[in-house]
Amino acid sequence: AQSVTQPDIHITVSEGASLELRCNYSYGATPYLFWYVQSPGQGLQLLLKYFSGDTLVQGIKGFEAEFKRSQSSFNLRKPSVHWSDAAEYFCAVGLYNTDKLIFGTGTRLQVFP
Amino acid sequence: DTAVSQTPKYLVTQMGNDKSIKCEQNLGHDTMYWYKQDSKKFLKIMFSYNNKELIINETVPNRFSPKSPDKAHLNLHINSLELGDSAVYFCASSQDLLGIYRGLGYEQYFGPGTRLTVT
Repeated sequence: AQSVTQPDIHITVSEGASLELRCNYSYGATPYLFWYVQSPGQGLQLLLKYFSGDTLVQGIKGFEAEFKRSQSSFNLRKPSVHWSDAAEYFCAVGLYNTDKLIFGTGTRLQVFP
Repeated sequence: DTAVSQTPKYLVTQMGNDKSIKCEQNLGHDTMYWYKQDSKKFLKIMFSYNNKELIINETVPNRFSPKSPDKAHLNLHINSLELGDSAVYFCASSQDLLGIYRGLGYEQYFGPGTRLTVT
């Protein structure tokens, strides 16, 4: 069955430090991969997506993600975290033969000054 | 202008009541969705509609009935509310149902959510 795993439930970083949020997926076909961010009390905002082509994807707010097929991973990175990046981050896989998004359980990011 | 809006933002009600949540999108999208986010933040799709036609209907109790009067609106009606229905419900829309089929990369745009509390 298709699934998305975000191994880190909670991550704490200092402002200005680099960040990497992990995402692994299990899906037999070509994956369509997304990262969404949810600020407290808000809806989800798309950070970036991978459908095909270059495996390093640039997104909004200075985020990037790299698709590694051999590792079934789509990790999210940012070189320097800002306090406003504190939020919940969700990785999701789109299923090729449906219109469904399967979400991971999320990683809560805390940023200390 | 808000792209995907939901009303109400908060809904507190008692067990056994019937309630509705409304969703509207002004993006001109053809497809709309309802998701449920539980207390552990897990997001799961409930329904999707494409041009007013039901496409995805996950394993959801039939107390939940989506209604799409037009492609810009998708409402969720819940009968006989139970404690376990307490959650945040998100509406979303995307340009085209077949976006992923065609590899065109249509992402889903989410509303701000409705926090439903059943007491």
